[in-house]
Amino acid sequence: KAGVTQTPRYLIKTRGQQVTLSCSPISGHRSVSWYQQTPGQGLQFLFEYFSETQRNKGNFPGRFSGRQFSNSRSEMNVSTLELGDSALYLCASSDPYGLNSWGYTFGSGTRLTVV
Amino acid sequence: KQEVTQIPAALSVPEGENLVLNCSFTDSAIYNLQWFRQDPGKGLTSLLLIQSSQREQTSGRLNASLDKSSGRSTLYIAASQPGDSATYLCAAMFSGGYNKLIFGAGTRLAVHP
Repeated sequence: KAGVTQTPRYLIKTRGQQVTLSCSPISGHRSVSWYQQTPGQGLQFLFEYFSETQRNKGNFPGRFSGRQFSNSRSEMNVSTLELGDSALYLCASSDPYGLNSWGYTFGSGTRLTVV
Repeated sequence: KQEVTQIPAALSVPEGENLVLNCSFTDSAIYNLQWFRQDPGKGLTSLLLIQSSQREQTSGRLNASLDKSSGRSTLYIAASQPGDSATYLCAAMFSGGYNKLIFGAGTRLAVHP
């Protein structure tokens, strides 16, 4: 069973640019969540999607957005990049109604560096 | 405010030692608690998931317990090995926040030969 796939693995962007990250969940998982990990703040929740609907959002500015497609794949977008957006962005998928209800599987992450 | 705390922040032990990592949470209305392992620069690997109706879970040399009344979870690692060196994170899902994990800051473990 394939795991959670995130692309790209690494990105270098310039301040002011925008970036789109992609996540393919485990087959059958309809919940996809995004987290930001930085040395100073640790792991922080960005948002969660279920069946193409955003159901929860963390405390991040509106520059951070996302969406989910009908095949459960998800993208997150960050516009007008700032230096402080440099982080490891992790995607996780979950099956709320499966045997391991709300057990999360994470991808390897996308390392974003803003210069 | 719902918070998760991990103690200690770092731990260094000789190979073969049994060890306990601690995780505490502020809200007893917990839905589940999950332990993860993270190697440097990598994503998270799920180790154990404990639902609120369970007291503990075991996988190989790992055993995790959950005590909702005291707001604590422990991860027990038996006969530690150098390959266990990593950062261990606990994350709680609280009732009412079914689709959001709140993470502790992690315990950085080093097991030396």
